[in-house]
Amino acid sequence: QVQLQQSGPGLVKPSQTLSLTCAISGDSVSNNNVAWNWIRQSPSRGLEWLGRTYYRSKWFNDFAVSLKSRISINADTSKNQFSLQLNSVTPDDTAVYYCVRELTHWSLECWGQGTLVTVSS
Amino acid sequence: QSVLTQPPSVSAAPGQKVTISCSGSSSNIGNYYVSWYQQFPGTAPKLLIYDNNERPSGIPDRFSGSKSGTSATLGITGLQTGDEADYYCGTWDSSLSVGVFGGGTKLTVL
Repeated sequence: QVQLQQSGPGLVKPSQTLSLTCAISGDSVSNNNVAWNWIRQSPSRGLEWLGRTYYRSKWFNDFAVSLKSRISINADTSKNQFSLQLNSVTPDDTAVYYCVRELTHWSLECWGQGTLVTVSS
Repeated sequence: QSVLTQPPSVSAAPGQKVTISCSGSSSNIGNYYVSWYQQFPGTAPKLLIYDNNERPSGIPDRFSGSKSGTSATLGITGLQTGDEADYYCGTWDSSLSVGVFGGGTKLTVL
Protein backbone atom coordinates (compact mmCIF):
# COMPACT_ATOMS: atom_id res chain seq x y z
CA GLN A 1 0.00 0.00 0.00
CA VAL A 2 1.36 3.36 -1.04
CA GLN A 3 1.72 6.05 1.60
CA LEU A 4 2.87 9.64 1.25
CA GLN A 5 4.27 11.45 4.27
CA GLN A 6 4.66 15.20 4.02
CA SER A 7 7.07 17.34 6.01
CA GLY A 8 8.01 20.99 6.10
CA PRO A 9 7.38 24.23 7.99
CA GLY A 10 3.87 25.46 8.64
CA LEU A 11 4.85 29.11 8.72
CA VAL A 12 6.77 31.01 6.06
CA LYS A 13 7.51 34.72 5.93
CA PRO A 14 6.45 36.82 2.94
CA SER A 15 9.05 36.94 0.12
CA GLN A 16 10.73 33.78 1.39
CA THR A 17 10.65 30.25 -0.06
CA LEU A 18 8.10 27.61 0.83
CA SER A 19 9.68 24.14 0.90
CA LEU A 20 7.84 20.86 1.42
CA THR A 21 8.94 17.26 1.05
CA CYS A 22 6.89 14.15 0.36
CA ALA A 23 8.37 10.81 1.38
CA ILE A 24 7.08 7.81 -0.56
CA SER A 25 6.58 4.31 0.83
CA GLY A 26 5.22 1.40 -1.16
CA ASP A 27 6.28 2.79 -4.54
CA SER A 28 9.30 4.29 -6.26
CA VAL A 29 9.59 7.93 -7.25
CA SER A 30 11.17 6.60 -10.48
CA ASN A 31 8.14 4.46 -11.37
CA ASN A 32 7.61 4.87 -15.12
CA ASN A 33 3.85 4.54 -14.80
CA VAL A 34 2.98 7.24 -12.29
CA ALA A 35 3.48 10.96 -11.71
CA TRP A 36 3.96 12.91 -8.50
CA ASN A 37 1.89 16.02 -8.04
CA TRP A 38 1.56 18.94 -5.66
CA ILE A 39 -1.90 20.41 -5.10
CA ARG A 40 -3.04 23.08 -2.69
CA GLN A 41 -6.40 24.06 -1.26
CA SER A 42 -7.64 27.29 0.21
CA PRO A 43 -11.09 28.74 0.82
CA SER A 44 -10.49 31.43 -1.82
CA ARG A 45 -8.97 29.23 -4.53
CA GLY A 46 -10.47 25.80 -3.86
CA LEU A 47 -8.35 22.91 -5.13
CA GLU A 48 -5.47 24.21 -7.22
CA TRP A 49 -3.03 22.03 -9.12
CA LEU A 50 0.54 23.32 -8.79
CA GLY A 51 2.64 20.93 -10.82
CA ARG A 52 4.10 17.46 -11.15
CA THR A 53 7.24 15.50 -11.84
CA TYR A 54 7.52 12.11 -13.49
CA TYR A 55 10.10 9.73 -14.90
CA ARG A 56 9.88 8.33 -18.43
CA SER A 57 13.50 7.34 -19.10
CA LYS A 58 14.28 10.89 -18.01
CA TRP A 59 12.64 13.41 -15.70
CA PHE A 60 9.83 15.68 -16.82
CA ASN A 61 7.93 18.49 -15.11
CA ASP A 62 4.68 20.31 -15.72
CA PHE A 63 3.71 23.44 -13.83
CA ALA A 64 0.67 25.64 -13.40
CA VAL A 65 0.94 28.56 -15.79
CA SER A 66 0.49 31.16 -13.06
CA LEU A 67 3.32 29.70 -10.97
CA LYS A 68 5.93 28.80 -13.60
CA SER A 69 8.29 31.59 -12.60
CA ARG A 70 8.22 30.69 -8.90
CA ILE A 71 7.91 26.90 -8.64
CA SER A 72 10.20 23.92 -8.79
CA ILE A 73 9.49 20.26 -8.13
CA ASN A 74 12.34 17.81 -7.76
CA ALA A 75 12.69 14.10 -7.18
CA ASP A 76 15.33 12.59 -4.91
CA THR A 77 15.81 8.96 -5.90
CA SER A 78 18.27 8.26 -3.08
CA LYS A 79 15.61 9.13 -0.49
CA ASN A 80 12.60 8.07 -2.58
CA GLN A 81 10.89 11.41 -2.16
CA PHE A 82 9.96 14.53 -4.08
CA SER A 83 9.83 18.14 -3.03
CA LEU A 84 8.11 21.42 -3.74
CA GLN A 85 9.73 24.82 -3.65
CA LEU A 86 7.69 27.97 -4.14
CA ASN A 87 9.65 31.22 -4.18
CA SER A 88 8.68 34.75 -3.25
CA VAL A 89 5.57 33.73 -1.36
CA THR A 90 2.82 36.14 -0.36
CA PRO A 91 -0.13 35.73 2.02
CA ASP A 92 -2.11 34.59 -1.03
CA ASP A 93 -0.03 31.38 -1.00
CA THR A 94 -1.48 30.42 2.38
CA ALA A 95 -3.16 27.05 1.88
CA VAL A 96 -3.17 23.38 2.74
CA TYR A 97 -0.61 21.71 0.48
CA TYR A 98 -0.93 18.08 -0.62
CA CYS A 99 1.45 15.74 -2.37
CA VAL A 100 -0.39 13.26 -4.58
CA ARG A 101 0.38 10.17 -6.62
CA GLU A 102 -1.15 10.22 -10.07
CA LEU A 103 -2.06 7.08 -11.95
CA THR A 104 -3.28 6.81 -15.51
CA HIS A 105 -5.24 9.65 -17.06
CA TRP A 106 -4.65 12.11 -14.22
CA SER A 107 -6.46 10.08 -11.60
CA LEU A 108 -5.11 11.32 -8.26
CA GLU A 109 -5.13 8.09 -6.37
CA CYS A 110 -3.07 8.61 -3.22
CA TRP A 111 -2.86 11.83 -1.20
CA GLY A 112 -0.53 12.90 1.55
CA GLN A 113 -1.94 14.06 4.85
CA GLY A 114 -1.78 17.72 3.92
CA THR A 115 0.30 20.54 5.39
CA LEU A 116 -1.20 23.87 6.34
CA VAL A 117 1.29 26.52 5.28
CA THR A 118 0.64 30.04 6.49
CA VAL A 119 2.48 32.95 4.91
CA SER A 120 2.79 35.66 7.52
CA SER A 121 5.39 37.87 9.11
CA GLN B 1 -12.94 31.05 -10.41
CA SER B 2 -12.45 27.36 -11.19
CA VAL B 3 -11.96 26.12 -14.75
CA LEU B 4 -14.63 23.44 -14.30
CA THR B 5 -18.09 24.46 -13.16
CA GLN B 6 -20.00 22.58 -10.46
CA PRO B 7 -23.12 23.56 -8.52
CA PRO B 8 -22.14 24.88 -5.07
CA SER B 9 -24.54 22.57 -3.29
CA VAL B 10 -27.02 19.76 -3.77
CA SER B 11 -29.28 18.01 -1.30
CA ALA B 12 -31.52 14.97 -1.14
CA ALA B 13 -33.14 12.70 1.40
CA PRO B 14 -31.60 9.46 2.69
CA GLY B 15 -32.17 6.60 0.29
CA GLN B 16 -32.67 8.92 -2.66
CA LYS B 17 -30.45 9.55 -5.67
CA VAL B 18 -28.49 12.70 -6.44
CA THR B 19 -26.42 13.83 -9.38
CA ILE B 20 -23.61 16.40 -9.45
CA SER B 21 -22.68 18.03 -12.72
CA CYS B 22 -19.29 19.23 -13.91
CA SER B 23 -19.05 21.42 -16.96
CA GLY B 24 -15.89 22.20 -18.89
CA SER B 25 -14.70 22.79 -22.43
CA SER B 26 -13.30 21.01 -25.46
CA SER B 27 -9.75 21.42 -24.18
CA ASN B 28 -10.39 19.65 -20.90
CA ILE B 29 -13.45 17.45 -20.31
CA GLY B 30 -14.16 17.25 -24.03
CA ASN B 31 -10.71 15.83 -24.68
CA TYR B 32 -9.72 13.88 -21.58
CA TYR B 33 -10.86 11.60 -18.82
CA VAL B 34 -12.67 12.91 -15.75
CA SER B 35 -12.16 11.87 -12.15
CA TRP B 36 -14.20 12.60 -9.05
CA TYR B 37 -13.10 13.12 -5.45
CA GLN B 38 -14.86 13.02 -2.10
CA GLN B 39 -13.62 15.16 0.76
CA PHE B 40 -14.69 15.25 4.39
CA PRO B 41 -13.81 18.27 6.55
CA GLY B 42 -10.22 18.28 7.69
CA THR B 43 -9.16 15.38 5.50
CA ALA B 44 -7.54 14.96 2.10
CA PRO B 45 -9.69 14.32 -0.96
CA LYS B 46 -10.26 10.68 -1.88
CA LEU B 47 -10.49 9.29 -5.40
CA LEU B 48 -14.05 8.18 -6.06
CA ILE B 49 -14.25 7.76 -9.84
CA TYR B 50 -11.52 7.71 -12.49
CA ASP B 51 -11.48 7.39 -16.28
CA ASN B 52 -14.99 8.89 -16.38
CA ASN B 53 -16.80 5.92 -14.91
CA GLU B 54 -14.40 3.52 -13.18
CA ARG B 55 -14.44 2.91 -9.45
CA PRO B 56 -11.28 2.20 -7.46
CA SER B 57 -11.27 -0.90 -5.32
CA GLY B 58 -13.37 -0.37 -2.23
CA ILE B 59 -15.69 2.29 -3.65
CA PRO B 60 -19.30 1.02 -3.52
CA ASP B 61 -21.31 0.77 -6.72
CA ARG B 62 -23.70 3.39 -5.34
CA PHE B 63 -21.24 5.83 -6.86
CA SER B 64 -21.14 6.15 -10.64
CA GLY B 65 -19.72 8.52 -13.22
CA SER B 66 -20.52 9.44 -16.78
CA LYS B 67 -19.32 11.87 -19.41
CA SER B 68 -20.92 13.40 -22.47
CA GLY B 69 -19.21 15.99 -24.61
CA THR B 70 -17.81 18.70 -22.36
CA SER B 71 -19.75 17.70 -19.25
CA ALA B 72 -19.50 14.97 -16.67
CA THR B 73 -21.84 13.74 -13.98
CA LEU B 74 -21.37 11.99 -10.65
CA GLY B 75 -24.31 9.93 -9.46
CA ILE B 76 -24.91 8.67 -5.95
CA THR B 77 -27.77 6.30 -5.21
CA GLY B 78 -29.10 5.05 -1.89
CA LEU B 79 -27.92 8.21 -0.14
CA GLN B 80 -26.61 7.83 3.39
CA THR B 81 -25.87 10.50 5.97
CA GLY B 82 -22.24 9.40 5.74
CA ASP B 83 -22.17 10.63 2.14
CA GLU B 84 -22.36 14.24 3.33
CA ALA B 85 -19.13 15.70 2.00
CA ASP B 86 -17.68 17.96 -0.66
CA TYR B 87 -17.31 16.48 -4.14
CA TYR B 88 -14.85 17.68 -6.78
CA CYS B 89 -14.37 16.86 -10.43
CA GLY B 90 -10.97 17.04 -12.06
CA THR B 91 -9.33 16.52 -15.41
CA TRP B 92 -6.34 17.48 -17.54
CA ASP B 93 -6.49 20.49 -19.82
CA SER B 94 -4.60 19.46 -22.94
CA SER B 95 -4.26 22.93 -24.41
CA LEU B 96 -2.70 24.41 -21.28
CA SER B 97 -1.04 21.18 -20.08
CA VAL B 98 -2.35 21.73 -16.57
CA GLY B 99 -4.60 19.90 -14.15
CA VAL B 100 -7.93 21.55 -13.45
CA PHE B 101 -10.64 21.11 -10.85
CA GLY B 102 -14.20 22.14 -10.29
CA GLY B 103 -15.08 24.46 -7.44
CA GLY B 104 -16.63 21.65 -5.45
CA THR B 105 -20.19 20.69 -4.53
CA LYS B 106 -21.38 20.32 -0.97
CA LEU B 107 -23.77 17.40 -0.60
CA THR B 108 -26.32 17.57 2.18
CA VAL B 109 -28.34 14.49 3.03
CA LEU B 110 -31.47 15.86 4.65
